[in-house]
Amino acid sequence: EADIYQTPRYLVIGTGKKITLECSQTMGHDKMYWYQQDPGMELHLIHYSYGVNSTEKGDLSSESTVSRIRTEHFPLTLESARPSHTSQYLCASSESQGNYGYTFGSGTRLTVV
Amino acid sequence: AQSVAQPEDQVNVAEGNPLTVKCTYSVSGNPYLFWYVQYPNRGLQFLLKYITGDNLVKGSYGFEAEFNKSQTSFHLKKPSALVSDSALYFCAVRDRANQAGTALIFGKGTTLSVSS
Repeated sequence: EADIYQTPRYLVIGTGKKITLECSQTMGHDKMYWYQQDPGMELHLIHYSYGVNSTEKGDLSSESTVSRIRTEHFPLTLESARPSHTSQYLCASSESQGNYGYTFGSGTRLTVV
Repeated sequence: AQSVAQPEDQVNVAEGNPLTVKCTYSVSGNPYLFWYVQYPNRGLQFLLKYITGDNLVKGSYGFEAEFNKSQTSFHLKKPSALVSDSALYFCAVRDRANQAGTALIFGKGTTLSVSS
């Protein structure tokens, strides 16, 4: 079944650690996105990609980085985690043409202690 | 510039009563409009979309939305609310004329609380 997967679902990590949040989709979508969301709050676009080797920063400034080496894979990395990075991170993908919405992963809830 | 507004942070309704969650939008051209629902500690789930055609769009779980071009609105409705409908609802828009280069724009979300 075509879907989008995020791992881990929950992560508690100490300050200063390097972490990578994984996102993979099996739908062959060209476009992928990362959103940051505080609990029950609005979504903030932090990164997006329109294809392999294409990445752009979103509306909200973020210390994280992303890569898009393969169509199906769009990992997000924090080189040195801080408590201010505590949040939920949502990955999404979409087709290239605009009459389709996004398919979202289940999210990764990150806590930095 | 594209934008979408959800004027109510929270909507409270009793089970069995009709519900409405409001959304207004602003795009330079014609819009693609979407509603998503988010349950606690989960990602967003697609409910329905308006692309073209009939202004009344039917979606998942008995929800529907009415596209009103003159009022630039896309309100989400359900004739009879269930306690299980309690969740966070997001409206989103994309400008049809600029679909290739822009991401979907989300509203701030409206928390729906259905009491038994």
